[in-house]
Amino acid sequence: AQSVTQLDSQVPVFEEAPVELRCNYSSSVSVYLFWYVQYPNQGLQLLLKYLSGSTLVKGINGFEAEFNKSQTSFHLRKPSVHISDTAEYFCAVSLGGGGSNYKLTFGKGTLLTVNP
Amino acid sequence: DSGVTQTPKHLITATGQRVTLRCSPRSGDLSVYWYQQSLDQGLQFLIQYYNGEERAKGNILERFSAQQFPDLHSELNLSSLELGDSALYFCASSARLAGGTGELFFGEGSRLTVL
Repeated sequence: AQSVTQLDSQVPVFEEAPVELRCNYSSSVSVYLFWYVQYPNQGLQLLLKYLSGSTLVKGINGFEAEFNKSQTSFHLRKPSVHISDTAEYFCAVSLGGGGSNYKLTFGKGTLLTVNP
Repeated sequence: DSGVTQTPKHLITATGQRVTLRCSPRSGDLSVYWYQQSLDQGLQFLIQYYNGEERAKGNILERFSAQQFPDLHSELNLSSLELGDSALYFCASSARLAGGTGELFFGEGSRLTVL
């Protein structure tokens, strides 16, 4: 079975600073990888996803992530954060190959707090 | 707006009671997923339905059950409620079963408080 580890439960940064949220996964088969964001009192929305191809994936709101198969990582980055990026970020994995019974397995989340 | 609608948004009830959470997926989506989010357990997958049939089961307690109706809306039934069932329950939908990419569209959740 696949699993996801988000290495930091909380990441405080100052506005306009760069940020990296770390995610490692484990799986014996190929996977699809996702980052979701949850703003306060809202549901989750997709930031970006890696399915195949280029290992650098760009998402919404200036975020990007890099898939590293050898290190089984999918870290999320943004070069300059804004106050409005304050939210909880979830890394998730599902089995690749378009299997018929896929489900997303989520990490425990990283709370990103952007301070002025 | 993801297009996934969940009701009620908030629910307060007592231990031992039974509640029903409702979810309407995005128009055209056939798959519905239920997740439970709590502070200690994070986001836990409960169950998935595709076009009315149960497709995958996760960490769903025997006291919980779900179904998907012909109009594709889904209900999650929680019975004999315990304090530990207090959580945010999310419904999500996706368009395809086989060949899908795993992208889910989430509702805003139903916050259940058991007193």
